[in-house]
Amino acid sequence: QKEVEQNSGPLSVPEGAIASLNCTYSDRGSQSFFWYRQYSGKSPELIMSIYSNGDKEDGRFTAQLNKASQYVSLLIRDSQPSDSATYLCAVTILQAGTALIFGKGTTLSVSS
Amino acid sequence: GAGVSQSPSNKVTEKGKDVELRCDPISGHTALYWYRQSLGQGLEFLIYFQGNSAPDKSGLPSDRFSAERTGGSVSTLTIQRTQQEDSAVYLCASSDSRAFFRNEQYFGPGTRLTVT
Repeated sequence: QKEVEQNSGPLSVPEGAIASLNCTYSDRGSQSFFWYRQYSGKSPELIMSIYSNGDKEDGRFTAQLNKASQYVSLLIRDSQPSDSATYLCAVTILQAGTALIFGKGTTLSVSS
Repeated sequence: GAGVSQSPSNKVTEKGKDVELRCDPISGHTALYWYRQSLGQGLEFLIYFQGNSAPDKSGLPSDRFSAERTGGSVSTLTIQRTQQEDSAVYLCASSDSRAFFRNEQYFGPGTRLTVT
């Protein structure tokens, strides 16, 4: 069973703090890793993709990938109340075709 | 440019009726995916199209579910003899599959299906 695990939260951080969201995956064949943000009642929005070990930064967002530990994380710097949402981790396992396998998401709440 | 569009945005149907859900992908995207998201559940893969063919139908939950894609563009997901457990948000996504394993998928707004 190919699985993607996330802590459901809620993760609560004050405005301006760093939010750290974590994800582990079970299949070592995983090749592509994505973070989606989903506001309540809306569809998922792609915010980060990462394909190789290390860090990838985009504005306030940093994705970190460690394939040896089968771990991917998302850091949100200077968190804003507008960042309050559910964050979904997704992976692609080539052998399974190109469907994304999603975790169940972590709910982030940023208080002002 | 225009994103993925889906219609209808909401659909209420009686148990036993058939429904059709439509997806219009981002122009030029050859890969198209259907997922569904039930209350409290994660996103569940249903079917994947590359062009007009469906190399992966492994997620379709029963033979009541079918999908087609025509002209390498619009796709229709059909659910026959709907059941209450079919109630969910049905999401369509598309990607530019030229970079095969990179596979960044962009979602439409979804169709909320309620079976009464």
